[in-house]
Amino acid sequence: AQSVTQPDIHITVSEGASLELRCNYSYGATPYLFWYVQSPGQGLQLLLKYFSGDTLVQGIKGFEAEFKRSQSSFNLRKPSVHWSDAAEYFCAVGRAWSGNTGKLIFGQGTTLQVKP
Amino acid sequence: DAMVIQNPRYQVTQFGKPVTLSCSQTLNHNVMYWYQQKSSQAPKLLFHYYDKDFNNEADTPDNFQSRRPNTSFCFLDIRSPGLGDAAMYLCATSGTDEKLFFGSGTQLSVL
Repeated sequence: AQSVTQPDIHITVSEGASLELRCNYSYGATPYLFWYVQSPGQGLQLLLKYFSGDTLVQGIKGFEAEFKRSQSSFNLRKPSVHWSDAAEYFCAVGRAWSGNTGKLIFGQGTTLQVKP
Repeated sequence: DAMVIQNPRYQVTQFGKPVTLSCSQTLNHNVMYWYQQKSSQAPKLLFHYYDKDFNNEADTPDNFQSRRPNTSFCFLDIRSPGLGDAAMYLCATSGTDEKLFFGSGTQLSVL
């Protein structure tokens, strides 16, 4: 069965420190992978996506993620966290259908807290 | 500037009283989705429309229905809301570039 696991429910980092959020997936074919961010009471904003090609993808707000097929992972990284990055982060895998990838399976999410 | 608009932002209904949530888009995307996100949980796909073709997820309760009268609008109808249906409902759209656009969601409370 297709699934996404985010092992860390809650992470706290100091402002300016580096960040890595973990994501592991289970999917039979080549996955379409996404990271979304959600601020409290808001919708989801796409940070980045991986469909194919270069396994290191750059996203918005200084985020990047690396696809590692051998580890079934798609970890999100940021070299220096800002207080405004505090939010909920969701990793997702898209189930391809008819050339569209909007049917997403989300992980449980990781809450990021940033200490001053 | 908002491209996927959900109204209302907050909706309160009574147990068993039908409620409708609305979503509109200015992107002219052919696909629209409804996700349910319960508190502290991941969003879960309820169903989607590809143009006028309705596609229900296998585990979506019959209590949930949807309508898409035209490209721009999509409605989520909950026929008899239960306490367990209290959640954030997220509408999303996608077009040919495979990027998913989410609305800000409607937070539904059931009293």
